[in-house]
Amino acid sequence: AAGVIQSPRHLIKEKRETATLKCYPIPRHDTVYWYQQGPGQDPQFLISFYEKMQSDKGSIPDRFSAQQFSDYHSELNMSSLELGDSALYFCASSSARGDSGANVLTFGAGSRLTVL
Amino acid sequence: KQEVTQIPAALSVPEGENLVLNCSFTDSAIYNLQWFRQDPGKGLTSLLLIQSSQREQTSGRLNASLDKSSGRSTLYIAASQPGDSATYLCAVRSSDAAGNKLTFGGGTRVLVKP
Repeated sequence: AAGVIQSPRHLIKEKRETATLKCYPIPRHDTVYWYQQGPGQDPQFLISFYEKMQSDKGSIPDRFSAQQFSDYHSELNMSSLELGDSALYFCASSSARGDSGANVLTFGAGSRLTVL
Repeated sequence: KQEVTQIPAALSVPEGENLVLNCSFTDSAIYNLQWFRQDPGKGLTSLLLIQSSQREQTSGRLNASLDKSSGRSTLYIAASQPGDSATYLCAVRSSDAAGNKLTFGGGTRVLVKP
């Protein structure tokens, strides 16, 4: 079965540079979520999109932005990178159709960003 | 605001022992609770999902219970194996949360010694 695809898997950037992470949800999933997991931390919710519109916003810095495109893939753009942005960034997808109680988030393998 | 706590933070057991991992949440108004496994530096693998109307879910050696009224879930892993060594995270989807986001606990780091 197709899973959530994230790219790149690893990314190394310098301080003040810009990075873009991509997420391709499971086919027919209409909702995408972004999470950030710092070293030794639990995943923290950043932002989510439903049908290409922002549906919820968490602890996402103003330097970050994201969007969901017409094919439902999503991109997380991070500018003016700081050392503290080094983390594992997870994307998850779900379908809002049907029984919302059965709505399951499926996570991608994550993109590891290292800021030097 | 939903808060999720996992106790203990770390657990070390000899191979063959049963594992008991605890998860508590502050707001009992939840849609579901999910247990994940995470290997070091790797992604999240979903283990079990318990709907708010369910009391437990089982998959192989794994059994998860849910007591929504007391805000608790327990993950049992029977006859532990060294391959079970990983961090186990529970995550709660609150029923009043827009966008279906999950709130994660801090995880329990498990080491099963051969």
